[in-house]
Amino acid sequence: DIVMTQSPDSLAVSLGERATINCRSSQSVLYSPNNKEYLAWYQQRPGQPPALLIYWASTRESGVPDRFRGSGSGTDFTLTISGVQAEDVATYYCQQYYTNPPTFGQGTRVEFK
Amino acid sequence: QVQLQESGPGLVKASETLSLTCTVSGGSVSTSSYYWTWLRQPPGKGLEWLGYIYYRGTTNYNPSLKSRVTISIDTSKNQFSLRLSSVTAADTAVYYCAGGTVYSSSWYPDWGQGARVAISS
Repeated sequence: DIVMTQSPDSLAVSLGERATINCRSSQSVLYSPNNKEYLAWYQQRPGQPPALLIYWASTRESGVPDRFRGSGSGTDFTLTISGVQAEDVATYYCQQYYTNPPTFGQGTRVEFK
Repeated sequence: QVQLQESGPGLVKASETLSLTCTVSGGSVSTSSYYWTWLRQPPGKGLEWLGYIYYRGTTNYNPSLKSRVTISIDTSKNQFSLRLSSVTAADTAVYYCAGGTVYSSSWYPDWGQGARVAISS
């Protein structure tokens, strides 16, 4: 299985600050024939199911605010939240879908200082 | 997008079989557009993919659970189901059904609210 490792485990930010979450995969999730990165990001608020934010490493799901940005390639990826809002307090997960089984990172909790 | 709702017992005895059903609304389980998927999340932990079923009945399971997991589909009820046999305390989790995309290896845009299942000794 591909192991997904996120850093940091938790992150304290002030309202309006930038939050950066990193995700590293144990092997590349780039599929060369279509040049796509098989990586997604989710937000999970307490007591709620995960909500898809980004797929193909950088494509925002419909309705996701543009302050959420995904970037990276190969084995190293980043989710950036530009200008954290109160509703962004949540745990964020990366997921690879390059190989079976799909696997998730351990999560990064974003909270306010 | 479709709406999904899990249902089933919230408490299962150890060594028995956990059974959950996901009812789909706003779309058909017979569509070729989705791979119908089960995932779970143990208390305070991350997400684990259990497997999927495609409308034609094709299934794919997590190798770590393959011998215990069965996913089936009932097109007449617009539902798909999960059975997990020989459960232990380690199977205590919130179980989610989800709709994947047209790709068998996929991201998950649509999720149920989750069904909390505890395993008792």
